[in-house]
Amino acid sequence: QVQLVQSGAEVKKPGASVKVSCKASGYTFTSYYMHWVRQAPGQGLEWMGILNPSGGSTTYSQKFQDRVTMTRDTSTSTVYMELSSLRSEDTAIYYCTRELGAPGNYWGQGTLVTVSS
Amino acid sequence: DIQMTQSPSSLSASVGDRVTITCRASQTISNYLNWYQQKPGKAPKLLIYTASSLQSGVPSRFSGSGSGTDFTLTISSLQPEDFATYFCQQSYNTPYTFGQGTKLEIK
Repeated sequence: QVQLVQSGAEVKKPGASVKVSCKASGYTFTSYYMHWVRQAPGQGLEWMGILNPSGGSTTYSQKFQDRVTMTRDTSTSTVYMELSSLRSEDTAIYYCTRELGAPGNYWGQGTLVTVSS
Repeated sequence: DIQMTQSPSSLSASVGDRVTITCRASQTISNYLNWYQQKPGKAPKLLIYTASSLQSGVPSRFSGSGSGTDFTLTISSLQPEDFATYFCQQSYNTPYTFGQGTKLEIK
């Protein structure tokens, strides 16, 4: 069965970077696009970007363009999302999600990133 | 960016009620509109894709309609497990944007 298992919660100081992983299993890793979506506490959902695991190409939301990097490791079927220059407003749950808005949609369990001095 | 506006923001209803949530896009998005259900502490769950297609495993009491800029999610007869927050999302172009959510509560 399809599973997306994300790395554990992180606590970071303002200005630091965080790298969240999402390990995929149960399907052909390179066949499905992966998105990252975040949700601040008690707030709505915010799309951050998309990665094509086959070639590694990415499209980022303009909001995060200069701070986010999405990569993948095909040998371990893992995608990564790194966010730099963290500020308190980046405190959120970060989700990886396969094929957003399509029949093959699956979500990771979420990773809480807390930014606090 | 395409703005997605849901209404209402919150809604109180009873088991057995018929409920409709609306979503409006700031520009035409054809039928590239998806609906998600989210329960506290859980990841969102896809209910409807491309405006009216029911995701596998989702009960048939959920339905979606609309095209262009105006869309609706209807729950024909509310069940206890349907009390949750619902989000619409456009996948017409990037950045893929979400509505602000509709919290469905028990009356």
